Amino acid sequence: AQSVTQLGSHVSVSEGALVLLRCNYSSSVPPYLFWYVQYPNQGLQLLLKYTTGATLVKGINGFEAEFKKSETSFHLTKPSAHMSDAAEYFCAVSEAGRRALTFGSGTRLQVQP
Amino acid sequence: NAGVMQNPRHLVRRRGQEARLRCSPMKGHSHVYWYRQLPEEGLKFMVYLQKENIIDESGMPKERFSAEFPKEGPSILRIQQVVRGDSAAYFCASSGGEGNEQYFGPGTRLTVT
Repeated sequence: AQSVTQLGSHVSVSEGALVLLRCNYSSSVPPYLFWYVQYPNQGLQLLLKYTTGATLVKGINGFEAEFKKSETSFHLTKPSAHMSDAAEYFCAVSEAGRRALTFGSGTRLQVQP
Repeated sequence: NAGVMQNPRHLVRRRGQEARLRCSPMKGHSHVYWYRQLPEEGLKFMVYLQKENIIDESGMPKERFSAEFPKEGPSILRIQQVVRGDSAAYFCASSGGEGNEQYFGPGTRLTVT
């Protein structure tokens, strides 16, 4: 069975600072990996995804993530935080051939002025 | 191109009543997924459907919950005899025939009083 662990349920950064949100997964087969963002009272929006190929994936709003198989990690980063980045971020995994997504418990990002 | 639509956005039911949640996938998408988000938790997969077929219902509670995706019309998630523990946000997602990228609707927030 696959699982997703997001370290840190709350992360606070200053505007302009580096954003690092951690995600580790366990999967018995090579996974597909995703990061979603959720703004209050809204649905989830896909930030980026990894399926195959290049391990550094660039997404929307300046976010990127790197798939590290040896560390079973898919951490999300952004060089410079903006106030509008304040939201909840979810890492998710699916196994090739199975469409159901398994989500982590989420990390709430606060951006301080 | 309209996104995934869900209605109602908010639903209040008394214990023992039935709740019907509707989801219209994105245009051209024939795969629908339902997820449940309990307060302060990540999303949990419930069921995956294609037109007129349930493909994966491994996350559905064994009793009171059912889902359908008829040939015509929206997908319906039905909860019979609701209990307070059913209070949650229910999200629908859809995808096309290729890839695992799922697009989420805004969710239906069910409150059971």
